[in-house]
Amino acid sequence: SQQGEEDPQALSIQEGENATMNCSYKTSINNLQWYRQNSGRGLVHLILIRSNEREKHSGRLRVTLDTSKKSSSLLITASRAADTASYFCATVIIQGAQKLVFGQGTRLTINP
Amino acid sequence: DTEVTQTPKHLVMGMTNKKSLKCEQHMGHRAMYWYKQKAKKPPELMFVYSYEKLSINESVPSRFSPECPNSSLLNLHLHALQPEDSALYLCASSQDLVGNEQFFGPGTRLTVL
Repeated sequence: SQQGEEDPQALSIQEGENATMNCSYKTSINNLQWYRQNSGRGLVHLILIRSNEREKHSGRLRVTLDTSKKSSSLLITASRAADTASYFCATVIIQGAQKLVFGQGTRLTINP
Repeated sequence: DTEVTQTPKHLVMGMTNKKSLKCEQHMGHRAMYWYKQKAKKPPELMFVYSYEKLSINESVPSRFSPECPNSSLLNLHLHALQPEDSALYLCASSQDLVGNEQFFGPGTRLTVL
C-alpha cells in the first residue's frame, strides 16, 4: 500500500513562479525524501529530511516537515522550464524492513 | 562514478520468451533494488538485495527471478510474462539499507506482446 499521498496531482505554472507540492503520510517515519522524474526516465534524488528536522534547503528547493501533521512540502522557487517533471515524496518507515514507499506524485509543468 | 546503468533500454518479448534485465553500479553500494513502474504511477518495490542476499521480496510472481551475482551487478530474469507486466523497470542502489538516498538507473522499458 502507498504510504504517501501528494497534492496536487498536477500543477501548471508560468516560468519564474514558485511551485509548491504537498505530501502526507500515515505512519511514523525515519526520514522523508523527494525525488524528481523526467518523463520515462529514472528518478533523481533531490533532498532528504530527517524526522527531527523541520526545514531544509538545497539551491532553489525548500522542504518542510511537520511530523505532528504527518506532512511535508516541497517548494521550488523561480521555476524554470527544465523543472518540468514528476515529483515524488518517499518515506522510510520506522517499523519493519527499511524501504522507501513512494507517494502518488505531482506532475509539474512549467510554461515558458 | 555515481551512475547506475541498466541494459537494455527497451525490450519487447513474447509471453513464451526468456529474457534478462541487467543493472550495474560501481559506487560500492551494498543495497540494490528492483522497482516496477506503470505509466503515471509511482515506482513499486519488487526486490531488495543487501550484501548480495535477497532481503525483501514484495510477493512478486515467480515469473520474475532476481539474481545478484556480485556486489556490483543485479539481474532480473523474466520468463512467461503477461502483457500486464509491461512497464518501466527501474534498478536502484544505496549505500546500505538504513534509509539513505537511492540512486536510480534510467530504466528498461519492457513490452510484453
